[in-house]
Amino acid sequence: KQEVTQIPAALSVPEGENLVLNCSFTDSAIYNLQWFRQDPGKGLTSLLLIQSSQREQTSGRLNASLDKSSGRSTLYIAASQPGDSATYLCAVRDDYKLSFGAGTTVTVRA
Amino acid sequence: GAGVSQTPSNKVTEKGKYVELRCDPISGHTALYWYRQSLGQGPEFLIYFQGTGAADDSGLPNDRFFAVRPEGSVSTLKIQRTERGDSAVYLCASSSSGGRDTQYFGPGTRLTVL
Repeated sequence: KQEVTQIPAALSVPEGENLVLNCSFTDSAIYNLQWFRQDPGKGLTSLLLIQSSQREQTSGRLNASLDKSSGRSTLYIAASQPGDSATYLCAVRDDYKLSFGAGTTVTVRA
Repeated sequence: GAGVSQTPSNKVTEKGKYVELRCDPISGHTALYWYRQSLGQGPEFLIYFQGTGAADDSGLPNDRFFAVRPEGSVSTLKIQRTERGDSAVYLCASSSSGGRDTQYFGPGTRLTVL
């Protein structure tokens, strides 16, 4: 069974600092890996999707890397803003099923 | 176009009662998924529909949980004899043809069992 772990569980940084969120998974036989954002009481918003054959994916201030062989992914958020405060979830895809980590809750202080 | 919608957004019930949670997928999407997210945890897979049939229901925790999708569109998750441990956010997702297509999530239904 795929196990996904996210470290740290919570993070508080001052505005403007770069964020580094980590995700690890136990079974490297994945199809892709996806990073989601979840705001309190809301559903999931997809941020970045990295195919298993890719090493990284970028969108604006967001950059995600994938090292499938070691079972790790990192989400970088540059120049954080208070609006980046949310919970960030990592999910790995093996065929049709998504397996999620518990998330990292980020607070960006103004 | 419209995304995945779920109703109700919140449901409060008493222990032992029966509840139904509804999911309206994106129009034309043949694949539909249910996940459950307990407080402080990531979503956990419950069931996957391809068309009208459940292709994988291995995530349903016990026989009190049942889901249907009779016409291959709307799905209903049914929970009998609810327990306090069933309290969670129930998320629905759909994708265009299943398999490895991108899953689009609804806002979820927050179920509270008193």
